[in-house]
Amino acid sequence: ETGVTQTPRHLVMGMTNKKSLKCEQHLGHNAMYWYKQSAKKPLELMFVYSLEERVENNSVPSRFSPECPNSSHLFLHLHTLQPEDSALYLCASSQSGGQQDTQYFGPGTRLTVL
Amino acid sequence: QKEVEQNSGPLSVPEGAIASLNCTYSDRGSQSFFWYRQYSGKSPELIMFIYSNGDKEDGRFTAQLNKASQYVSLLIRDSQPSDSATYLCAVNSGGSQGNLIFGKGTKLSVKP
Repeated sequence: ETGVTQTPRHLVMGMTNKKSLKCEQHLGHNAMYWYKQSAKKPLELMFVYSLEERVENNSVPSRFSPECPNSSHLFLHLHTLQPEDSALYLCASSQSGGQQDTQYFGPGTRLTVL
Repeated sequence: QKEVEQNSGPLSVPEGAIASLNCTYSDRGSQSFFWYRQYSGKSPELIMFIYSNGDKEDGRFTAQLNKASQYVSLLIRDSQPSDSATYLCAVNSGGSQGNLIFGKGTKLSVKP
């Protein structure tokens, strides 16, 4: 595997389900990010982890819960989501202090909440 | 509120022409600037980054930065149908770790 990978690529869930999105980066980076991309809206930064510590949480609802067990893995735990949470969820990674923190994206998880 | 503005398009150019994509940003303290390409249904792919005023060329792509005017552009020479995609401008204002502010993107269509 190379670059940034995400699983699953597609997810359909009901409002009462609990699911998790997984991201893994194979670039040796030390920072990872979760973004949400909805139609007609710019990419929205949700969470940032640097050296496995959360450094930013842009007022994301508590139904989204991130976890970063090490510098290569990032999870987004989902529970009691709303239909408006349907979107493309993108993971990215960067090397803090390197090339101005250029971020590289994974393929994304297309989430549909019924 | 820090903002990045792009014309949503679509911008339509004939094959072989130069496509010019523009982006303005509100935070005068912004330090680094990125262009990403996103094909429909795919994730953003980094094309170029630029930090200093002036031009930066990479193959058919040229990024131009004017910090005084708070303006960054991307020129695509000899446009190809495969360049048809949405181009995202992103700005790092140098604040919080990895705080990239994205524009909504400009959709480019290159007609054969």
